[in-house]
Amino acid sequence: SQTIHQWPATLVQPVGSPLSLECTVEGTSNPNLYWYRQAAGRGLQLLFYSVGIGQISSEVPQNLSASRPQDRQFILSSKKLLLSDSGFYLCAWSVRGTGSYEQYFGPGTRLTVT
Amino acid sequence: GQQVMQIPQYQHVQEGEDFTTYCNSSTTLSNIQWYKQRPGGHPVFLIQLVKSGEVKKQKRLTFQFGEAKKNSSLHITATQTTDVGTYFCAGKGRRTALIFGKGTTLSVSS
Repeated sequence: SQTIHQWPATLVQPVGSPLSLECTVEGTSNPNLYWYRQAAGRGLQLLFYSVGIGQISSEVPQNLSASRPQDRQFILSSKKLLLSDSGFYLCAWSVRGTGSYEQYFGPGTRLTVT
Repeated sequence: GQQVMQIPQYQHVQEGEDFTTYCNSSTTLSNIQWYKQRPGGHPVFLIQLVKSGEVKKQKRLTFQFGEAKKNSSLHITATQTTDVGTYFCAGKGRRTALIFGKGTTLSVSS
């Protein structure tokens, strides 16, 4: 069965510090991968998605970047965090090429920038 | 750009009352999906609707996809406290990524 892992679960970082959040998927190959941010009590904002290794689409201009160094690994990074980067970061995957676009979310990382 | 609007933003009901959330897209969708996020948790896929006018049921939950494939609804009959959470619709247009609505947060008092 497929599983998706995200770490860390919670993170408190000072303004101006770097960030690296990792997401890995097991049990599937060639997935589409997604990074979302959810502010407290708000909806899901799509940040990046990837249809393959090294292929990243950015949805909104921001202080963040994403990379996909391996097929089932998706990394979200920042060189210098801003207070506005606080939120709940969710990684998700979907099966590519089958016409089914349902997404499976990881447990998320709660980031607080202080 | 493509947008998916969801109403209401919040809904409080007494246990046993019905609940409905509505989703409207600015463009025609190839499919629409619904997700539920429990407080403190992550979104979990509920269902996908593909056909115009499609209706699907999961126990007390009824999902509809509009004839024009631009709107959808989720209706819960006789809510229970286990139904609390935020319900998101997500539309699939031409792009690879889904467009999520902002969600409807349901609270239920017993």
